[in-house]
Amino acid sequence: GAVVSQHPSRVICKSGTSVKIECRSLDFQATTMFWYRQFPKQSLMLMATSNEGSKATYEQGVEKDKFLINHASLTLSTLTVTSAHPEDSSFYICSAKKVGLDTGELFFGEGSRLTVL
Amino acid sequence: AQSVAQPEDQVNVAEGNPLTVKCTYSVSGNPYLFWYVQYPNRGLQFLLKYITGDNLVKGSYGFEAEFNKSQTSFHLKKPSALVSDSALYFCAVRDIKTDKLIFGTGTRLQVFP
Repeated sequence: GAVVSQHPSRVICKSGTSVKIECRSLDFQATTMFWYRQFPKQSLMLMATSNEGSKATYEQGVEKDKFLINHASLTLSTLTVTSAHPEDSSFYICSAKKVGLDTGELFFGEGSRLTVL
Repeated sequence: AQSVAQPEDQVNVAEGNPLTVKCTYSVSGNPYLFWYVQYPNRGLQFLLKYITGDNLVKGSYGFEAEFNKSQTSFHLKKPSALVSDSALYFCAVRDIKTDKLIFGTGTRLQVFP
């Protein structure tokens, strides 16, 4: 299989604090991971593309200083929501592209629900 | 630009009946098409993909999809729906240049007992 683990699955924090979400590929290497945000009853919005060993590429309208992405190894990418505010409350999902698999299929984590009070 | 459209926000079907969830695509070149399913508060699970070959693609949980080049469609189908199939379904196309998956807006499938 190709398993992607996200942690934490749920997090509640106070306004102004920072929250880190981890995305790990457990049984494969991933040079590229993608971070999405999903609002209730809506589709996935791509936030950024995370590349191992280089800077992330952010989609238009996504604040790179607000959503810090680090892809330090072939199995781990992290998303840090800095100085979180209630409007950052959302469901965040990561996906990973398996090295050597060129079909375009991505493997998704289970998502992390962030609630900012 | 690559895009997919899911014209139905919701599809309702009785258990045991066949189901169809519609998807149309717009791509330059050959399409790489996918279907994913999302259960409440969960990530996306891969159902099936079309890269090349047979137009009828079989996937997980008894689902299949038919690639129709002339109609630029990739509808998801299942001969006999189960209540447990109730979920949110996403059609997606791969952007070859960036490896991104471009998702449709999603279709909520509700299967009634």
